[in-house]
Amino acid sequence: EAGVTQSPTHLIKTRGQQATLRCSPISGHTSVYWYQQALGLGLQFLLWYDEGEERNRGNFPPRFSGRQFPNYSSELNVNALELEDSALYLCASSQNLRGAPDTQYFGPGTRLTVL
Amino acid sequence: AQSVTQLGSHVSVSEGALVLLRCNYSSSVPPYLFWYVQYPNQGLQLLLKYTTGATLVKGINGFEAEFKKSETSFHLTKPSAHMSDAAEYFCAVSGAGANNLFFGTGTRLTVIP
Repeated sequence: EAGVTQSPTHLIKTRGQQATLRCSPISGHTSVYWYQQALGLGLQFLLWYDEGEERNRGNFPPRFSGRQFPNYSSELNVNALELEDSALYLCASSQNLRGAPDTQYFGPGTRLTVL
Repeated sequence: AQSVTQLGSHVSVSEGALVLLRCNYSSSVPPYLFWYVQYPNQGLQLLLKYTTGATLVKGINGFEAEFKKSETSFHLTKPSAHMSDAAEYFCAVSGAGANNLFFGTGTRLTVIP
């Protein structure tokens, strides 16, 4: 069974540009989560999508946005890039079992560098 | 609200020695607790999880953790460290229905030959 995949592996942008990161969940998983792992800040929850809808959002500005497609894959868009957006962006997927813990399985991440 | 505190950002043990990584949580609802491991330049791999029921949870690679509600702790242990255990370990908590995980700041484990 294929795991969570993310593309690209590395992304280099300049300040003010836009970045688009992509994630494909494990087959059968309907939920996709995005996390930011920045140096010194740890892992922080960004966004949760399920069945095409945004279900929850972390404490990030609106220039962080995304969407989930009918095939449950997802995009994370970061507009007006700032130097501090440089980080490893991790995507995770899970089944969405109502009332049960949804174990999240992580992809390898996209390393975004903002120059 | 949920949060996690991991005591010790770096832990060093000798090969064959006991591994103990500490995690304390705060949660306003019954918590679901997780330990993940991250090897260099890789994503996170689930080691084990606690949801309900038995408080001693066994995971992969010989790791286990015990949920202690009275101490709000979920410490990770392994009886005998192996060189391949060198990695960063993250404790995480979520509440039922919330789904998003709150992570601790991580503990980097070094195994000395």
